Amino acid sequence: DQQVKQNSPSLSVQEGRISILNCDYTNSMFDYFLWYKKYPAEGPTFLISISSIKDKNEDGRFTVFLNKSAKHLSLHIVPSQPGDSAVYFCAAKENYGQNFVFGPGTRLSVLP
Amino acid sequence: SAVISQKPSRDICQRGTSLTIQCQVDSQVTMMFWYRQQPGQSLTLIATANQGSEATYESGFVIDKFPISRPNLTFSTLTVSNMSPEDSSIYLCSVGNDRDSPLHFGNGTRLTVT
Repeated sequence: DQQVKQNSPSLSVQEGRISILNCDYTNSMFDYFLWYKKYPAEGPTFLISISSIKDKNEDGRFTVFLNKSAKHLSLHIVPSQPGDSAVYFCAAKENYGQNFVFGPGTRLSVLP
Repeated sequence: SAVISQKPSRDICQRGTSLTIQCQVDSQVTMMFWYRQQPGQSLTLIATANQGSEATYESGFVIDKFPISRPNLTFSTLTVSNMSPEDSSIYLCSVGNDRDSPLHFGNGTRLTVT
C-alpha cells in the first residue's frame, strides 16, 4: 500500500514557465514533508520541506504548498530552468518517527 | 550539510557472492540509514544503522541478507549477501541529525548482479 503517491510519472514544461509537481499521501500521522531532486548517477538532493503547522514554504524559485485536509502537497518551480530537469521525489515522515516514506517520483523535463 | 562518501560507486557481481558498501561522513551524525532504489521504483528504507548496537531492520529486510555495521558516528557499512539478480539496485546511505531535519544522501552504489 503506497502511503505517498505521485500520480504523474513525467512532466514537460517550457523554460520560464511554472512547473507544478503534485504529491498525495494517505497516512494522517505524517507531519513533515520534503521534496528531493535526483539527477542520474547522483543521490537525492534535499530541496525544500514543510511541517504540518504551515501551509506554505518558499525558498527562492521553489515553493511547497500543503493542504492537510486533502492530504495533498505540491511543489511549484518558477521560473523553470533546463537545469531543473531531474526526477523529483516527495517524502513524508510521522512525528517522532525516523522512517521517511518516499513517493515513486516524477520526471520533470524543462524544454529550452 | 554533511559530505557523504559512498564506495564503491558501482559494481557488477556474480550471483552467490557478497558485496560490502561503505559510507563515510565528514562529521558526526546522529542517524544513519540505508535505502534501496530498485529499477524504476522509489526509495525503500532497508534499516537504521545504530551506533554500537544491532541495526533496526524494516519489514521485508533481514540481518542475514543485509548485515550492517556502524562502529562510530561517522561510518557505516552495508553488506549485500548471497546476491541474486533481484538484488540489482541502487543502494543509498543517508544521514540526519534530528527527527525534524531532512535526510542527506550519498551518491549511491549501483549494483548489478549477473
